[in-house]
Amino acid sequence: DTGVSQNPRHKITKRGQNVTFRCDPISEHNRLYWYRQTLGQGPEFLTYFQNEAQLEKSRLLSDRFSAERPKGSFSTLEIQRTEQGDSAMYLCASSLTSSQETQYFGPGTRLLVL
Amino acid sequence: SQQGEEDPQALSIQEGENATMNCSYKTSINNLQWYRQNSGRGLVHLILIRSNEREKHSGRLRVTLDTSKKSSSLLITASRAADTASYFCATFGSDNFNKFYFGSGTKLNVKP
Repeated sequence: DTGVSQNPRHKITKRGQNVTFRCDPISEHNRLYWYRQTLGQGPEFLTYFQNEAQLEKSRLLSDRFSAERPKGSFSTLEIQRTEQGDSAMYLCASSLTSSQETQYFGPGTRLLVL
Repeated sequence: SQQGEEDPQALSIQEGENATMNCSYKTSINNLQWYRQNSGRGLVHLILIRSNEREKHSGRLRVTLDTSKKSSSLLITASRAADTASYFCATFGSDNFNKFYFGSGTKLNVKP
């Protein structure tokens, strides 16, 4: 399978715990994006990487959120001290270098914070 | 906000009928893309239309773009039960080529 993959697919955690999600983009794609989607809404941009460089972060990405893409391949999104409001679907997408290109999405990680 | 907004929010039709969804956006764009999302799944890219294009076809899909009205429409012809999903339009802004803005989607239900 050469699509975007995300792990885990589901995560249930207790408030205050830290969680980490992983995204493996399509191999030749330089750009990697993270989005958050709540029920009944469209995805909201969180951050994106050009290779290993994190070039833009949304104001939605509080200090408790951190994303990395250490070798320009897979990326991780960590949420520290989770809150109930963090419950959402976290989507990863990748695209070729040009910012105007189609983004290909992974299946998402659904987070539930109890 | 540059966010696109889809209309209607929900649409229920019989199999075989056509489904039309509309998207409006607020600022200049370079391209507009339509995505489909089945419940609880990731988004699947359907079609991209550039700002200098007015109409585009892909199989049973027809997309139009009217930049003067800042609107786009997605037509699905001869709908099937498998078309049941949420449909989103997304835009890259002309002032920020790196951020992709999604609307809140149209939830389509095709009854067999």
